[in-house]
Amino acid sequence: NAGVMQNPRHLVRRRGQEARLRCSPMKGHSHVYWYRQLPEEGLKFMVYLQKENIIDESGMPKERFSAEFPKEGPSILRIQQVVRGDSAAYFCASSSIRGETEAFFGQGTRLTVV
Amino acid sequence: AQTVTQSQPEMSVQEAETVTLSCTYDTSENNYYLFWYKQPPSRQMILVIRQEAYKQQNATENRFSVNFQKAAKSFSLKISDSQLGDTAMYFCAFMKHWREGHKLIFGTGTRLQVFP
Repeated sequence: NAGVMQNPRHLVRRRGQEARLRCSPMKGHSHVYWYRQLPEEGLKFMVYLQKENIIDESGMPKERFSAEFPKEGPSILRIQQVVRGDSAAYFCASSSIRGETEAFFGQGTRLTVV
Repeated sequence: AQTVTQSQPEMSVQEAETVTLSCTYDTSENNYYLFWYKQPPSRQMILVIRQEAYKQQNATENRFSVNFQKAAKSFSLKISDSQLGDTAMYFCAFMKHWREGHKLIFGTGTRLQVFP
């Protein structure tokens, strides 16, 4: 059973470009969470999605950031017009609401904006 | 809103010794979960131990154990017989009941260095 898969592992973008980060949850999981980790800091919650629905986006910046989790395919975190301050590690986690008390993390995508 | 505080940015311990990492949290919830995650240089988030708030007994996983003080809202991690492979960042995290989703609130982390 493959774990949570994130790609790419490393992504370099120039200022003003778009970044797309992908997350394939564990098999059987229909809930996805995105977190951002700035250098030397802890993980900060960004958004919680179920298939085709955004459940909680309280941690998402109001502009330039969006997330989706379509019926088919991976969850996508999209950052438009990236700036240097977007440089961070972005982690995805997945879970199922069936009594499990753990969400499983991917290995993260390190975004560098140059 | 829930908050998680880790007041020790860095800790060090000699191999085979015991070290305790501190964590306090704030919540008005009665049912919740607490976690310790380890993040080695590979960046992978590894679950070390979890504690359900309704359980009075402290969780234990091999060399890792917690001291959960619900009234004091304290959740410290004790690592016994420290090993070089324990060198990593350690994050304390809070989660409401799983029926509300697995959204985690993390502390700022403690960098643990184990010396030979």
